[in-house]
Amino acid sequence: DGGITQSPKYLFRKEGQNVTLSCEQNLNHDAMYWYRQDPGQGLRLIYYSQIVNDFQKGDIAEGYSVSREKKESFPLTVTSAQKNPTAFYLCASNPDGINSPLHFGNGTRLTVT
Amino acid sequence: KQEVTQIPAALSVPEGENLVLNCSFTDSAIYNLQWFRQDPGKGLTSLLLIQSSQREQTSGRLNASLDKSSGRSTLYIAASQPGDSATYLCAVEGNEKLTFGTGTRLTIIP
Repeated sequence: DGGITQSPKYLFRKEGQNVTLSCEQNLNHDAMYWYRQDPGQGLRLIYYSQIVNDFQKGDIAEGYSVSREKKESFPLTVTSAQKNPTAFYLCASNPDGINSPLHFGNGTRLTVT
Repeated sequence: KQEVTQIPAALSVPEGENLVLNCSFTDSAIYNLQWFRQDPGKGLTSLLLIQSSQREQTSGRLNASLDKSSGRSTLYIAASQPGDSATYLCAVEGNEKLTFGTGTRLTIIP
């Protein structure tokens, strides 16, 4: 079955460490996205990519970095510069970026202590 | 800047009842409005997408309407079932990509 796989489901890190969240899709979608979800807030866009080797900052990109070397993969690195990294991170994709429904992975819950 | 509001934040209804969830947005210059469902600890599942030129979309027991001029959308769920319990989020797509509401947590009481 086609879908989006995020791993791991739970991730624990010490403050000051960088951590990379994995996102892989086999839907052959061009566009991929990273969102952050915090209690009581709507999803906020971190980064998005509409094509391989290209990506754009979203609303809250500070302290995060991404790469898009392959169509299937869009890993997110949470750096030590991110002031409040504990959150639920969601990866999504859609075929061409506009006017098509988003498909989401099951998320990674990151806890930084 | 687009703002999306969903009221109420939580709703409980007895099984079998029909119900309506509300979504409002401030900027009517949108490409589409999408409704999603989220189960606890999971990702979002797309339910319906309404293009800006459309008034409504239907899928099974779900019907979503869009009134762009007034900045409102409703999600109607017919004959609710316990399995419908989840958080329902709406999102509008415009020049700022997708802007999400904070969701309505729906509980269907058996």
